[in-house]
Amino acid sequence: GQNIDQPTEMTATEGAIVQINCTYQTSGFNGLFWYQQHAGEAPTFLSYNVLDGLEEKGRFSSFLSRSKGYSYLLLKELQMKDSASYLCAVLDSNYQLIWGAGTKLIIKP
Amino acid sequence: GAVVSQHPSWVICKSGTSVKIECRSLDFQATTMFWYRQFPKQSLMLMATSNEGSKATYEQGVEKDKFLINHASLTLSTLTVTSAHPEDSSFYICSARTLEARYEQYFGPGTRLTVT
Repeated sequence: GQNIDQPTEMTATEGAIVQINCTYQTSGFNGLFWYQQHAGEAPTFLSYNVLDGLEEKGRFSSFLSRSKGYSYLLLKELQMKDSASYLCAVLDSNYQLIWGAGTKLIIKP
Repeated sequence: GAVVSQHPSWVICKSGTSVKIECRSLDFQATTMFWYRQFPKQSLMLMATSNEGSKATYEQGVEKDKFLINHASLTLSTLTVTSAHPEDSSFYICSARTLEARYEQYFGPGTRLTVT
């Protein structure tokens, strides 16, 4: 079966750094996405990794290791507005998105 | 670019009635559209995939007679929840994909459905 695991909830302090991990087992792989979703809103695109390595985009970075079936999202200089759920999703061999359950990130002052 | 709209953004209906939700790609042609449902504090659950001009492919456990999907054009897909019940209350989100960029889905803002 297909499976994506990420922690249910994480807490971090404003100004700090947090790393959200995601492990996956899917039938085929055409890339891994990270989305941010605020309560009551649709997901917004953060990053897409298809090759191994680190992709940096401002305060957010995403890492992928295909051999390990592992990715992480790194958020730096945390702001209160970063409080949201972060969804890991893998594009499988049929180009369908397989979603993780999401990690709720709580930022404390 | 790549904007997807949904209408309505929220709707309240009585049990037993039907509700139609529209999903439009505003500035691109969407060869494939996806419909998701999300219950509180849960992740997105894919309901169905629809390709323009053909019947939708429903995920296991999703009743095709209850959730009618029509993808009549390259810019419009509709989801009709028939004979709605309170357990159908959820957040419904559509997304769209082009033939050229099969790796990316563009999400609509979602529709909050409450069935009383």
